[in-house]
Amino acid sequence: DAGVIQSPRHEVTEMGQEVTLRCKPISGHDYLFWYRQTMMRGLELLIYFNNNVPIDDSGMPEDRFSAKMPNASFSTLKIQPSEPRDSAVYFCASSLYRDSPLHFGNGTRLTVT
Amino acid sequence: EDKVVQSPLSLVVHEGDTVTLNCSYEVTNFRSLLWYKQEKKAPTFLFMLTSSGIEKKSGRLSSILDKKELFSILNITATQTGDSAVYLCAVLRGTTSGTYKYIFGTGTRLKVLA
Repeated sequence: DAGVIQSPRHEVTEMGQEVTLRCKPISGHDYLFWYRQTMMRGLELLIYFNNNVPIDDSGMPEDRFSAKMPNASFSTLKIQPSEPRDSAVYFCASSLYRDSPLHFGNGTRLTVT
Repeated sequence: EDKVVQSPLSLVVHEGDTVTLNCSYEVTNFRSLLWYKQEKKAPTFLFMLTSSGIEKKSGRLSSILDKKELFSILNITATQTGDSAVYLCAVLRGTTSGTYKYIFGTGTRLKVLA
């Protein structure tokens, strides 16, 4: 079991650029989550998918953020255009069932200058 | 509004000490409470608690839930420097639309000195 795999590990970009974060969930897990972690706000849920379908995107900050899950083994979180306040660690997590523990990837540390 | 509050915010102890971390919550449609350990990278799962009064144990770590008083504690005995981490509490709640949602606390930062 390779765990949840995220890429890139670090991303440094300039304000206004497009950023794409990638995630491969654990095989067989039906649920995929995107979280953002900052010192001020802790872990915040952005969006989650069940069987590749977005279920709750109420945590997506604004239209600059979008997420897709084209198949069971891949998801992307895109920010366009990026802003300095988007700087944070973005975690992807997956779970087997809706009430199972979350398994987190190692995160992508995003810095927008 | 749903709340998960952890205390203390941070803690410094010496190896061999015993620590107790607290998590209180106010959420609707409670399903379960989970503890995670976060070192430099991903939070890793420790315990899931759904019933009051039943202690979960793993080595030097243990946890218990009180659903009447709406809190949980995580105990670590004989602490080691490897226990240094942020400990996160999360509550899983149901929603009116039939979905589930995790609410995370902001964590307790534990530092264990040699």
